[in-house]
Amino acid sequence: DVKVTQSSRYLVKRTGEKVFLECVQDMDHENMFWYRQDPGLGLRLIYFSYDVKMKEKGDIPEGYSVSREKKERFSLILESASTNQTSMYLCASTGLAVTHEQFFGPGTRLTVL
Amino acid sequence: GQNIDQPTEMTATEGAIVQINCTYQTSGFNGLFWYQQHAGEAPTFLSYNVLDGLEEKGRFSSFLSRSKGYSYLLLKELQMKDSASYLCAALDSNYQLIWGAGTKLIIKP
Repeated sequence: DVKVTQSSRYLVKRTGEKVFLECVQDMDHENMFWYRQDPGLGLRLIYFSYDVKMKEKGDIPEGYSVSREKKERFSLILESASTNQTSMYLCASTGLAVTHEQFFGPGTRLTVL
Repeated sequence: GQNIDQPTEMTATEGAIVQINCTYQTSGFNGLFWYQQHAGEAPTFLSYNVLDGLEEKGRFSSFLSRSKGYSYLLLKELQMKDSASYLCAALDSNYQLIWGAGTKLIIKP
């Protein structure tokens, strides 16, 4: 059974803290994505990666960075968390062809106080 | 700009049929996805259309008209477990997914 896992389901952090969100997939997928999902808005792409050590900015990269040191792991970093980064964060992966379906992790609901 | 429109919320009755519409405007087009997302859970893939026409998969069917920038998801024989949000997403010329805000489907007994 294919799987994308995320390090935490719920996370509460304080303004200014550095936050790490981890995502691991076991499908040997090349492509990995980080989205945030807010009520009334569609999924918004933060960053994506097509290969190890490669990263590309999505639509809303400001305030975020990413790391992909291994093929199966894609980390999202909030350098200095702010209250407007309170959101649901979803990681996804897909194989070589981007016309393939994306497999999503369960999500991390992050609250920044 | 790029845009996906779908209704915010729909209500239907158990056992009935419901059609969820999606219109898209993208820079180029490489296909359209439908995903289902239950409350508090991750989206899961339902369908992918790149050619015009209807594709049927059990109780769910998806239709695409490229000339009209239009798609719909048809759910038949509705069950209570179909209560969820349904997300429409179009793949643009750069193979980036443009997501709609989702349609919350409420099924009543």
